[in-house]
Amino acid sequence: NAGVTQTPKFQVLKTGQSMTLQCAQDMNHEYMSWYRQDPGMGLRLIHYSVGAGITDQGEVPNGYNVSRSTTEDFPLRLLSAAPSQTSVYFCASSYSRTNYGYTFGSGTRLTVV
Amino acid sequence: GENVEQHPSTLSVQEGDSAVIKCTYSDSASNYFPWYKQELGKRPQLIIDIRSNVGEKKDQRIAVTLNKTAKHFSLHITETQPEDSAVYFCAASHNNDMRFGAGTRLTVKP
Repeated sequence: NAGVTQTPKFQVLKTGQSMTLQCAQDMNHEYMSWYRQDPGMGLRLIHYSVGAGITDQGEVPNGYNVSRSTTEDFPLRLLSAAPSQTSVYFCASSYSRTNYGYTFGSGTRLTVV
Repeated sequence: GENVEQHPSTLSVQEGDSAVIKCTYSDSASNYFPWYKQELGKRPQLIIDIRSNVGEKKDQRIAVTLNKTAKHFSLHITETQPEDSAVYFCAASHNNDMRFGAGTRLTVKP
């Protein structure tokens, strides 16, 4: 049982490049989400999904896309990277959004230059 | 939406002392309150949670209390150790939403 697996752990992008952050969980969790954490700040919700085929926007969705074709995978796509997207990204999953604790992935540290 | 305020933002204690972090929420219908610990450079990890039908929950040196009337809940760490140094986040859940507090950086000085 690997929990929540995120790849890559580190990435440097040039402004305007696109990339996909991968997230996979093997706990059969219905709920998955993406957060960004800026230095000294808390967690801000980007996008979330309550099940395969269902996604919705969080607090800071601009510049990001998601899809949920399977229960296990929830990739986050950066469409055209900007320096403001430099951050640490965490994927999290749970049995539900509201009644159970979240399991977080180890994070992706993204730098956009 | 649900606003969660967390205090203090930083807390420094001597090893062996107790630490208390408090969160307040605005919606009386909130019913699930988890706490997460994030060590430097690591992922947040769930350490304890409490539901609205319970007033207190303990797990070894950590405990959480909930006051529904005042709409606040607190994390208590007793006999603190250097490995308790981390950022702690509270969260409150309501309907189909979950909001996190801004975090408390706890430093335990040996």
